Amino acid sequence: GQQLNQSPQSMFIQEGEDVSMNCTSSSIFNTWLWYKQDPGEGPVLLIALYKAGELTSNGRLTAQFGITRKDSFLNISASIPSDVGIYFCAGRNFGDSNYQLIWGAGTKLIIKP
Amino acid sequence: NAGVTQTPKFQVLKTGQSMTLQCAQDMNHEYMSWYRQDPGMGLRLIHYSVGAGITDQGEVPNGYNVSRSTTEDFPLRLLSAAPSQTSVYFCASTLYDRGNSPLHFGNGTRLTVT
Repeated sequence: GQQLNQSPQSMFIQEGEDVSMNCTSSSIFNTWLWYKQDPGEGPVLLIALYKAGELTSNGRLTAQFGITRKDSFLNISASIPSDVGIYFCAGRNFGDSNYQLIWGAGTKLIIKP
Repeated sequence: NAGVTQTPKFQVLKTGQSMTLQCAQDMNHEYMSWYRQDPGMGLRLIHYSVGAGITDQGEVPNGYNVSRSTTEDFPLRLLSAAPSQTSVYFCASTLYDRGNSPLHFGNGTRLTVT
């Protein structure tokens, strides 16, 4: 079946640092999504990407839909304590519904005290 | 609006017991879905519904049943719990099945089967 590789699995960073994470797929996607999950809560959508090459920002977050349609990147600039959590990428195939996503295993962001 | 509400937040079951995980949404969304979240893996779709009275299987449906008698409610039933069903379960809803319509998730139910 289709697989998503999300890396890194976890990141220890200092407050104020920039963060980068990415997802790669074994096949192409029509849509890439980035979600964040805080402890004890469900995932919340951060950024949605619908076109190859698209670069979209949401505050300090910037995500890109890779040209090959097999990868996506999320960058967080000047991290702050509330950025802590698990970030998930998800892809949707052409023709699939919004609930039929392929999910990455997540990148856990931890800020060093 | 409360969004998507899941109950209970935590549950411990013995092998063979049955239970129902509740999910309700107040956004008038037609599309609802259930996922399980296991360590080191992405979310996996269990069952979904495209409207009241209509349900279908997702990627990992075995051992779970669903029904959708109203637009608001989409309960997930475990008929005979097994340790392999230990997981965190999320319910989600969305307004449209295609296009720019994000999934809205509940806060999850953490289930342990001993």
